[in-house]
Amino acid sequence: DAKTTQPTSMDCAEGRAANLPCNHSTISGNEYVYWYRQIHSQGPQYIIHGLKNNETNEMASLIITEDRKSSTLILPHATLRDTAVYYCIVKSGNTPLVFGKGTRLSVIA
Amino acid sequence: DTAVSQTPKYLVTQMGNDKSIKCEQNLGHDTMYWYKQDSKKFLKIMFSYNNKELIINETVPNRFSPKSPDKAHLNLHINSLELGDSAVYFCASSQAGVAGETQYFGPGTRLLVL
Repeated sequence: DAKTTQPTSMDCAEGRAANLPCNHSTISGNEYVYWYRQIHSQGPQYIIHGLKNNETNEMASLIITEDRKSSTLILPHATLRDTAVYYCIVKSGNTPLVFGKGTRLSVIA
Repeated sequence: DTAVSQTPKYLVTQMGNDKSIKCEQNLGHDTMYWYKQDSKKFLKIMFSYNNKELIINETVPNRFSPKSPDKAHLNLHINSLELGDSAVYFCASSQAGVAGETQYFGPGTRLLVL
């Protein structure tokens, strides 16, 4: 079973920041927080991951709370192509991803 | 260049047939996976291989037999196909590092059993 809780769906206006929350209150000390997304009919795509520090890459920013029990994925300027299901996953080591139901993000023009 | 490729992209077959799906990665990764996404869109791990050795088999029926001829390939053979095998099958690969591990997924194979 997935160890994370995410809202089922969210809407975001095109050009605005999309903030996707995730709760992972039972995260272990050696587990990372990963974000993947799945655009319709495609394979899951890696976005970003972090352990305890905030992270940023060309796709998104990841904000992890100090107690590591929750995190937020930020897409700074959402476009229509960002419409997808976003998955927050916690795991350690070289192990399979355990996908939950994710958040369906709809970016609206 | 495609990092993780799968063939075929679509597969339509009759119940009871045997079929194979192929996966190749050109990333030099040591670990490869097969995931299944059913009609309700739940993604679940089926198998994991590391350096051609099976390390995870998640209660998959033994009609499913993965084969890894080398660490760049992980094929999935399915015997006696059933209606419930209809799904999208995704292959993935990864390389563990000191700062976590990123998995790269193939485009998926859409299997329809009639």
